[in-house]
Amino acid sequence: QKEVEQNSGPLSVPEGAIASLNCTYSDRGSQSFFWYRQYSGKSPELIMSIYSNGDKEDGRFTAQLNKASQYVSLLIRDSQPSDSATYLCAVRMKTSYDKVIFGPGTSLSVIP
Amino acid sequence: GAVVSQHPSRVICKSGTSVKIECRSLDFQATTMFWYRQFPKQSLMLMATSNEGSKATYEQGVEKDKFLINHASLTLSTLTVTSAHPEDSSFYICSATSAIEQYFGPGTRLTVT
Repeated sequence: QKEVEQNSGPLSVPEGAIASLNCTYSDRGSQSFFWYRQYSGKSPELIMSIYSNGDKEDGRFTAQLNKASQYVSLLIRDSQPSDSATYLCAVRMKTSYDKVIFGPGTSLSVIP
Repeated sequence: GAVVSQHPSRVICKSGTSVKIECRSLDFQATTMFWYRQFPKQSLMLMATSNEGSKATYEQGVEKDKFLINHASLTLSTLTVTSAHPEDSSFYICSATSAIEQYFGPGTRLTVT
């Protein structure tokens, strides 16, 4: 089993719809979870971080964490064409140096 | 937010030569920096963890003698790709960790001809 997995894409949603991105992880001891957005040829940029079970909202973005199910998701409300990018789920593993491992990413296209 | 810089942003080198990439945390001290590599249409793969004042910790399958990492200060880590080959052509990204968050540099595009 891979350490961090994401739902396979590409995902296409119409403008204004809700985009739902999912991620599961294998290390039960992980405590920190991140969602990054990456545009082609650019470095990832942090969208959300979440550390506790439940929901965390920031503008149009909502991250959801369920540690019992080892599951973290990202919802994007009122999707815009500018949201079209690859979304990377990242998990900080509980190791001696707390390395951060990335999932394979999900490509999102928002259709005008 | 915190800023991490990388230099150079883009480099082209001939096969067999060595290339050094610098990663700096500009407004915070980073005891730990990470080096990632990203091939086209793939995710970031962790290569190694760089700890200030000690040897880097390499991920399985990453040759430590080929990818030399030095973390000389709390704001600077370097990655040297030695005897580069075309298959080393990739996007190399460093990141530095503050107390909680992880910040990424803009990346270095390496092309080996």
